[in-house]
Amino acid sequence: SQTIHQWPATLVQPVGSPLSLECTVEGTSNPNLYWYRQAAGRGLQLLFYSIGIDQISSEVPQNLSASRPQDRQFILSSKKLLLSDSGFYLCAWSTDLLYGYTFGSGTRLTVV
Amino acid sequence: AQSVTQLGSHVSVSEGALVLLRCNYSSSVPPYLFWYVQYPNQGLQLLLKYTSAATLVKGINGFEAEFKKSETSFHLTKPSAHMSDAAEYFCAVWKAAGNKLTFGGGTRVLVKP
Repeated sequence: SQTIHQWPATLVQPVGSPLSLECTVEGTSNPNLYWYRQAAGRGLQLLFYSIGIDQISSEVPQNLSASRPQDRQFILSSKKLLLSDSGFYLCAWSTDLLYGYTFGSGTRLTVV
Repeated sequence: AQSVTQLGSHVSVSEGALVLLRCNYSSSVPPYLFWYVQYPNQGLQLLLKYTSAATLVKGINGFEAEFKKSETSFHLTKPSAHMSDAAEYFCAVWKAAGNKLTFGGGTRVLVKP
């Protein structure tokens, strides 16, 4: 069966520090991968999505970047975190949008 | 461009009462529609989906939704609310051939005893 792993579950980072959040999918091949952020009162914001290795689409200009070094691995990064980067980050995958997304359990990031 | 509107960012219902969450979409072609639920500090979980078969769709946890093309709506209902239904609910739309879902702003449900 397919599973998605996201880590860490929670993270507290100082302003100006780097960030690396990892998402991996098991049990499927060539999934579409997505990074979303939920900030308080702002719903789901699509940050990046990828349809294949090294194929990344950025939805919102920001302080973050994404990479997909392997088929089932999706990484969200920042060189220097801002306070406004705080939020709940969600990874998701899909192989056929007829079935929607499957979401990971999320990472709560607090930038202090 | 397609979009999704959820009317009401917060809904309060009494335990045992009807739950009704509204979702309207705009799309130039028949879309595929989804409802997701999110419990605190968790990822989103698929409740149900409409993919052009029956217009009344039944999902998990006693929820159902009806696709009404004439009203461009896909409202979510549950006849009798339970305390465990307290969560945030998201409506989403996919227009075939795109690579992503478009989500509504979410509706947070509070269930009162």
